[in-house]
Amino acid sequence: GQQVMQIPQYQHVQEGEDFTTYCNSSTTLSNIQWYKQRPGGHPVFLIQLVKSGEVKKQKRLTFQFGEAKKNSSLHITATQTTDVGTYFCAGVYGGSQGNLIFGKGTKLSVKP
Amino acid sequence: DTGVSQDPRHKITKRGQNVTFRCDPISEHNRLYWYRQTLGQGPEFLTYFQNEAQLEKSRLLSDRFSAERPKGSFSTLEIQRTEQGDSAMYLCASSLKNEKLFFGSGTQLSVL
Repeated sequence: GQQVMQIPQYQHVQEGEDFTTYCNSSTTLSNIQWYKQRPGGHPVFLIQLVKSGEVKKQKRLTFQFGEAKKNSSLHITATQTTDVGTYFCAGVYGGSQGNLIFGKGTKLSVKP
Repeated sequence: DTGVSQDPRHKITKRGQNVTFRCDPISEHNRLYWYRQTLGQGPEFLTYFQNEAQLEKSRLLSDRFSAERPKGSFSTLEIQRTEQGDSAMYLCASSLKNEKLFFGSGTQLSVL
């Protein structure tokens, strides 16, 4: 079935270091969304990527969507302790967002 | 508070009992989703509604699970004859069509 793989599962960084999480699908995605879940919280939307090769930036966060629309990445430059949490990608197959498939997430911890 | 509301926040039940959860979406949102999340995993899609119509249901979902959205506003998720494996956080989310999801704080279910 449709599945979104996300790596790494965990990432521990020193504050100020960069962080990247990767998301892969075996089949072409219609679009992909990224969410952040703080410890004890619920997922919060970060961004949606729709176009092949799309790159979007939000301050220190850079999101990319692959040319084949099968992979995506989230890169954080110079991590801060406020970046702590689990980052999920969620893929949409076909034209409807009804069935948004989440990856297992990458849990980021930042050591001050 | 104009966000997604879920009730109750916590539910402890004995194996074999029925439980029902309620979700109140953001008022202008026509889509409502139910997800299930266990520790260390991403949200797992259960079902979604567009207005009052249930458009998709996970094939992995047992017949013991049923969801309704009778007037296209709030939704209920019922689990009959609960099992210990049903223990999880049940998340509700709402959105406008094909736009970002807004999640509620979830209902944490513990089946003893």
